[in-house]
Amino acid sequence: KQEVTQIPAALSVPEGENLVLNCSFTDSAIYNLQWFRQDPGKGLTSLLLIQSSQREQTSGRLNASLDKSSGRSTLYIAASQPGDSATYLCAVPEGDKIIFGKGTRLHILP
Amino acid sequence: SAVISQKPSRDICQRGTSLTIQCQVDSQVTMMFWYRQQPGQSLTLIATANQGSEATYESGFVIDKFPISRPNLTFSTLTVSNMSPEDSSIYLCSVEDRGSYIYGYTFGSGTRLTVV
Repeated sequence: KQEVTQIPAALSVPEGENLVLNCSFTDSAIYNLQWFRQDPGKGLTSLLLIQSSQREQTSGRLNASLDKSSGRSTLYIAASQPGDSATYLCAVPEGDKIIFGKGTRLHILP
Repeated sequence: SAVISQKPSRDICQRGTSLTIQCQVDSQVTMMFWYRQQPGQSLTLIATANQGSEATYESGFVIDKFPISRPNLTFSTLTVSNMSPEDSSIYLCSVEDRGSYIYGYTFGSGTRLTVV
């Protein structure tokens, strides 16, 4: 059974810093990995999807990497801003479903 | 990517009553998924809804408590029945986006339910 772990559970950093969020999964037989953002009390917004044949994907200040063999993905946020404050979730497919980590709650200090 | 309209965005309900949550998708999709997110927790899948068949419920969720309708390929409802304060959560619907290998999953904006 697939298990997804995200470290750290929470993170506070000053505005402008670069930061890395970590995601690990137990079953490397995945065909993609997706990173989401969730604002308090809201739904999920898809940030990046990395297919199993890819090593990384970039969108603006966000860069996600995938190492299937080691069961790891990272989300790199450059030049963080207060608007980046949210919970970040990674998810991998298992059959018809997707399995989520518990998320990293990020707070960017102005 | 698909766009999902989820209603209501939030509600405060009395215990013992029921609330129906709607999700409308701007394209036809085979499967729709319903999730619950309890305070401070990650998402838990409630059920998978295919058009024209009974929803498939995950362990710990039953149809009497969470009846689901899927009348066509663009619409689904989830009802939270006979509510108690323990049902206070965010409820989300989701769809596979045109082949999840490439596009992944898209989520609605969520329904924040408070039961008093």
